[in-house]
Order: sequence, then structure tokens, then C-alpha cells
Amino acid sequence: AQSVTQLGSHVSVSEGALVLLRCNYSSSVPPYLFWYVQYPNQGLQLLLKYTSAATLVKGINGFEAEFKKSETSFHLTKPSAHMSDAAEYFCAVRPYLSGGSQGNLIFGKGTKLSVKP
Amino acid sequence: ETGVTQSPTHLIKTRGQQVTLRCSSQSGHNTVSWYQQALGQGPQFIFQYYREEENGRGNFPPRFSGLQFPNYSSELNVNALELDDSALYLCASSLRTGGNEQFFGPGTRLTVL
Repeated sequence: AQSVTQLGSHVSVSEGALVLLRCNYSSSVPPYLFWYVQYPNQGLQLLLKYTSAATLVKGINGFEAEFKKSETSFHLTKPSAHMSDAAEYFCAVRPYLSGGSQGNLIFGKGTKLSVKP
Repeated sequence: ETGVTQSPTHLIKTRGQQVTLRCSSQSGHNTVSWYQQALGQGPQFIFQYYREEENGRGNFPPRFSGLQFPNYSSELNVNALELDDSALYLCASSLRTGGNEQFFGPGTRLTVL
């Protein structure tokens, strides 16, 4: 079964510092990969997605992620953290299904990002 | 373009009761997926509906059931509520093709006492 591992349930950075949130997936075939952000008491908002095009994916709010097949990783980065980035971040994988139909998302347990002034 | 909406926002039930949660999908989307997010956890897939038929199910018992209507809106029904059913229930809509992302609603917070 496919799975997603997010290293670090809680990451704390200073404002202006680099943000690095780690995600590793298990899959024999490169799947579709996603990063979502969840603010308190809200649903999930898509930050970016990888769908087998460019390995470096740029998303909203200055975030980007790089797909590395050899490492089965899809880490999320942002060069300079802002206070408004404080939220919970979820990495998710959607297995590739034949026929182009869509499967369900498999989420990691999430990483809570805190940003210190 | 209207996003995904869910109702109610919050709900409190007691063990053994039944609950119905509702979701309106984003305009033009034909697929609805439901997820359960327990406190401190990532969302877990319950099931997906496409053109009014169940199109995949996660590891949830049969007391979790759903419906999709011709306008692609959806309901999640849970019978015989248990304390562990307390969670945030998220609905996501999408187009039924591989690379398209799922758009999530704000969720319904269910508390079972």
C-alpha cells in the first residue's frame, strides 16, 4: 500500500528564515503528489502539485517543491518565512490509475509550522 | 465561480445517533470525495462518488454511507455514532481525470458525546 511520511510533526523557524518541510512517499510508480495547507478551523488549500511534468514545482505564496524520484521525496521549501505562513502542512499522494481516472488522496500526518518574530 | 461548501459547520451528537452531512461541489465538478480528519491527524479517505455511484472506498465500516445527486452535490451519512467518529469531515470536489486536484470545503466538525 502506498504511504506518505512527513518528517517532523512540528517545525519552528524565525521570520525571514528558510522553510523546509519534508515528505517521502512509497510508490513503485511515480504518483501524483500534492502539498496542502490548513489554517486553524479551515479546510485544505492546495499549495502545489506534481503531475509528472517539471520536477521543480512552483506554488502559491512563494512555496516550491522538488520531486526526486531516486529519493522518493517531495520536500516543500520557501526561501523566507512570513508570519502568515504559520499553519499545518500536509503532503499527499494520489496513485496513478489506469484509464486516467482519479484515485483518492493519501495524506501524511501533517507538519505544523510555527514562525517566530 | 462558487467553491465547495459544507453544512452544517458544527454538530454535536450522542452515541448511537445518526448524522447527515452535506456538500455542494464546485461548479463544473463531477466527482466528490469525503475524508475524515481526526484531531492531530491527516485526512483519511472515506469514499468517492462519480455520477451518483460510489467509485472507491477507504477502510470505513458500512455504517458510513453516502449519496451523490444529479447536480453532483453529496451527503455523508453515519449511523450508530461512536465516540471515535468525532472529527472534522471534509468534502472535496474535482473532475474525474488523473492530474486534477481536489478542492476542499471548510469541513464539518462533528462531536460525539
